[in-house]
Parts: sequence; C-alpha cells; structure tokens
Amino acid sequence: GESVGLHLPTLSVQEGDNSIINCAYSNSASDYFIWYKQESGKGPQFIIDIRSNMDKRQGQRVTVLLNKTVKHLSLQIAATQPGDSAVYFCAENRGNTGFQKLVFGTGTRLLVSP
Amino acid sequence: EAGVTQFPSHSVIEKGQTVTLRCDPISGHDNLYWYRRVMGKEIKFLLHFVKESKQDESGMPNNRFLAERTGGTYSTLKVQPAELEDSGVYFCASSHSVVSGGYTFGSGTRLTVV
Repeated sequence: GESVGLHLPTLSVQEGDNSIINCAYSNSASDYFIWYKQESGKGPQFIIDIRSNMDKRQGQRVTVLLNKTVKHLSLQIAATQPGDSAVYFCAENRGNTGFQKLVFGTGTRLLVSP
Repeated sequence: EAGVTQFPSHSVIEKGQTVTLRCDPISGHDNLYWYRRVMGKEIKFLLHFVKESKQDESGMPNNRFLAERTGGTYSTLKVQPAELEDSGVYFCASSHSVVSGGYTFGSGTRLTVV
C-alpha cells in the first residue's frame, strides 16, 4: 500500500483489548481535531472529531481525549476487533475563518491479532 | 450517496511527461480539496476549492501543478512536467460544511514517476 517507505509507529494488540493511539500537535491555535482511519488501498475515513472547547468526546467504541495544555490528542478504541487494523491519523485544522485546512500527523499502524 | 471518485486509481509515467488526475466530489459538496502523500512523508494539503474558486492553494508545491474545477463540479490536477519526487498518492476530498464533520476522501490516485 501507500505506506511503503513510510516508517510508522505500530501498536499491536489482541482482539478484545482496548487500544490507545496518541498524537501530539504543534499549533496551540488549532481549534478542531479529527481522527481518520485508513485501510490499505482506501482513502482516510472519518472516525470522530473534537473541538478545542471540549476535552472528551465519545462515539461508538471510540473516545477522543484532548489535552490542550500539552497539545496532546488520543484515540481510544474499546474492544478492538481485527477490522480495526489500519493506519490511524490525527489531523488538526489550520484553516482560517472556518475553512478547513488539515495538517495530518504521521500516523500509527494498529495491528489486531485474533 | 456515491462517494468521492478519483480516476485513475494508478498511473505510471516517465519523468517529463504530463499526467492529469480527476476527482468527482460528492454531489452537492461545494468544498473540494486535494491532498497528497509522497513516499516517506505525511499527508499534506495542496489546495481547497469552494465551488469553482480556489480558496486556498498555499500547499501547491510549484508551478508544475495546476488544479482546476470547471463549473464547480469535478476537479482535475495536472502535473506537467512530472518529476520523480512527484510520486505518491494523491487524495481528493469533499465536504458540504467547512465548519465541522471532516471530509469524505476518495481512494486516491497512486502516481509513480519513473
């Protein structure tokens, strides 16, 4: 896939475990953050987002935590399944006046063993 | 609804040749974005259209890249002449809102310049 040559940090977990993927961002003025999942041969797929006025948001099996003090974002996946195996990217919005211009992190590869 | 469609899925061209990538956004999405991941790097913003107008083209690497969006519908990204360092995956995305919800990405075009 397109990750060849891209040395990604990898998180290996067993099916049923909880996974935590971390991301550091650089711009303290960023006001909107998104987590994307990318499977081989596909484009990034939206998972969950969070605004800077929140520190936690929950979706189905996923939770995003935002710590603005240390500019850190995390994605928690509960009861990880083999279908969750993918590369996960955080992205911060650097756009002006509401227009979205996303800056992506380097990504983390999640490997889920049955 | 149909997703974001990109064509071709793969393209192999020789250095110095011209390649044109096409993106069909989700119907009704005024916002269209181009991103790319060159090998070993993270996904990076290229430009953003609002309808047929270029809202932000700050990520375009040089004047060998030309993006158009005729009539505010589909978009093309032309690379002329292509160089080896242009190899990578080019993603198109579209959105209805610029405020929230993230984008919907296409599956990308893998460009290989030899």
